[in-house]
Amino acid sequence: NAGVTQTPKFQVLKTGQSMTLQCAQDMNHNSMYWYRQDPGMGLRLIYYSASEGTTDKGEVPNGYNVSRLNKREFSLRLESAAPSQTSVYFCASSASLGQGDMNTEAFFGQGTRLTVV
Amino acid sequence: AQKVTQAQTEISVVEKEDVTLDCVYETRDTTYYLFWYKQPPSGELVFLIRRNSFDEQNEISGRYSWNFQKSTSSFNFTITASQVVDSAVYFCALSRNYGQNFVFGPGTRLSVLP
Repeated sequence: NAGVTQTPKFQVLKTGQSMTLQCAQDMNHNSMYWYRQDPGMGLRLIYYSASEGTTDKGEVPNGYNVSRLNKREFSLRLESAAPSQTSVYFCASSASLGQGDMNTEAFFGQGTRLTVV
Repeated sequence: AQKVTQAQTEISVVEKEDVTLDCVYETRDTTYYLFWYKQPPSGELVFLIRRNSFDEQNEISGRYSWNFQKSTSSFNFTITASQVVDSAVYFCALSRNYGQNFVFGPGTRLSVLP
């Protein structure tokens, strides 16, 4: 019963490099999210996907792209990393209306600590 | 627009003291959900409680209790007889309708000193 799995856990990039953060959930949730966490700023939404095949921008989408590959997987791509993207990234998933699940909270992965130098 | 405010950036208490973490939210939705999460030093996010907008009953779970007041748009969290293991960052969050578009507050860092 893995829940939400993120890879990698740690990553160091040079400015201008690209990378993809992977996220998979095994709870059959419709909704998936990518957040970044910076000191003193809580969690800010980068992108979310309300269902397979749909994605929407959150509060801080610039510099990122996402792909909802299937119901289980939601990846986050940094095309050209910048030092301002140094952060801890969290993937999350939640049930949505119609799934018959009364547990409406978001379930989080363990996080990816990304440093851009 | 939705917003969550946690005015207390950091709180320090001595073990066994009671402590209340404040959360004030803004939303125009009539149906919404409120949550508290704990982030211990290890970094993971641990779900503590959910409350929907139609249920204003306060809840107690062991040493934890929550006070939801729609009239003041607040959802405060009290830890009774705090312990060192309660040291963590606590986040209040708000979602629209049915578990969508979670908005988090900036968090309150609680330090419980022995």
